[in-house]
Amino acid sequence: GAGVSQTPSNKVTEKGKYVELRCDPISGHTALYWYRQSLGQGPEFLIYFQGTGAADDSGLPNDRFFAVRPEGSVSTLKIQRTERGDSAVYLCASRSGTSDEQYFGPGTRLTVT
Amino acid sequence: LAKTTQPISMDSYEGQEVNITCSHNNIATNDYITWYQQFPSQGPRFIIQGYKTKVTNEVASLFIPADRKSSTLSLPRVSLSDTAVYYCLVGEGGYSTLTFGKGTMLLVSP
Repeated sequence: GAGVSQTPSNKVTEKGKYVELRCDPISGHTALYWYRQSLGQGPEFLIYFQGTGAADDSGLPNDRFFAVRPEGSVSTLKIQRTERGDSAVYLCASRSGTSDEQYFGPGTRLTVT
Repeated sequence: LAKTTQPISMDSYEGQEVNITCSHNNIATNDYITWYQQFPSQGPRFIIQGYKTKVTNEVASLFIPADRKSSTLSLPRVSLSDTAVYYCLVGEGGYSTLTFGKGTMLLVSP
């Protein structure tokens, strides 16, 4: 079956602009996670959804970052007033209710110029 | 969250067995040990998870001593396609979030 998909695969934006990153989880997976990965580092947790609600948003670095999952499936990570330090690969993962395994998408590479 | 320590990099040759050891001295009673693999330009992929003793699947084995302060991921007869970063994670499992370190970069040569 289809895995986790993320769009766009690459996004280049100018400093100060607004961006939206989309994640389509595996169908039926109730849990959805966002991570951010900088070069040479492991993924860093941002936010976790259980259904439609954010169960844990403690990893969001500041109030410029926001994520939604209005229907409990697709999620959008929104970044306002982007900064060059936001440049990274943004990874999405989903998880079913019957396994600990998180399934990751290929990521969106965000470059802020 | 328990912190993990693993080698930054390892080198091997095709056909050899590779063992990557991870230290987690502060592991809690409820914590599981999980390993993920990541290829360039891809998201991490689950390899194996265990709580104690030994776990084996079609990809790898995971050895956990009785004190659970370390664990060893064993990859039998590696191939070039096993070149990747391997992450050791410790956490309660379930819906808990994953805390990644820098991982171990395994390079398999011909």
